[in-house]
Amino acid sequence: RKEVEQDPGPFNVPEGATVAFNCTYSNSASQSFFWYRQDCRKEPKLLMSVYSSGNEDGRFTAQLNRASQYISLLIRDSKLSDSATYLCVVTPLTGFNKFYFGSGTKLNVKP
Amino acid sequence: GAVVSQHPSWVICKSGTSVKIECRSLDFQATTMFWYRQFPKQSLMLMATSNEGSKATYEQGVEKDKFLINHASLTLSTLTVTSAHPEDSSFYICSASGQHEQYFGPGTRLTVT
Repeated sequence: RKEVEQDPGPFNVPEGATVAFNCTYSNSASQSFFWYRQDCRKEPKLLMSVYSSGNEDGRFTAQLNRASQYISLLIRDSKLSDSATYLCVVTPLTGFNKFYFGSGTKLNVKP
Repeated sequence: GAVVSQHPSWVICKSGTSVKIECRSLDFQATTMFWYRQFPKQSLMLMATSNEGSKATYEQGVEKDKFLINHASLTLSTLTVTSAHPEDSSFYICSASGQHEQYFGPGTRLTVT
């Protein structure tokens, strides 16, 4: 069983739409969670950390559900520039130890 | 923010040769660096954890004799793909643990012909 699983998509949405991605993780001892964004042929860039209380950064909201072992990312008012692959990341320990990446969810925002 | 560089950014080599990829943390010291591999349309797969001054720790299924890792200083880790074959063609990315997050290098695209 994979450490982290994501729906690969692609999610094709019009500009201005709201879109949500989920990611499930298998290790209940996982302690740190992140969403990264990766553009084609580029390295991943940190989008946001995911806290137990949930967190919001502008149009992006991330939430963690420990009981069901999933994290989510909500993007409101999608922009063309949001088109990318979104990677869910889980670490077994705090302190930015090993990162286990999900396979990524591809988002295409259309005009 | 912290910067991690990789060199080369892309390389083409012949089957059977060895290729060395460098990963440098430019403005901070990193006792731990990580090496990932990403095949087309797949996610990043952790290959190994590189620890300064000690042997690397490899993930299950990664051949340590094929992927040699050296972390000789707090700012440099190298990955050598020995006797490369076409199936080793991939995007290799390193990362370094900073104070608040992991910082990724820009990646090295390896093509083995």
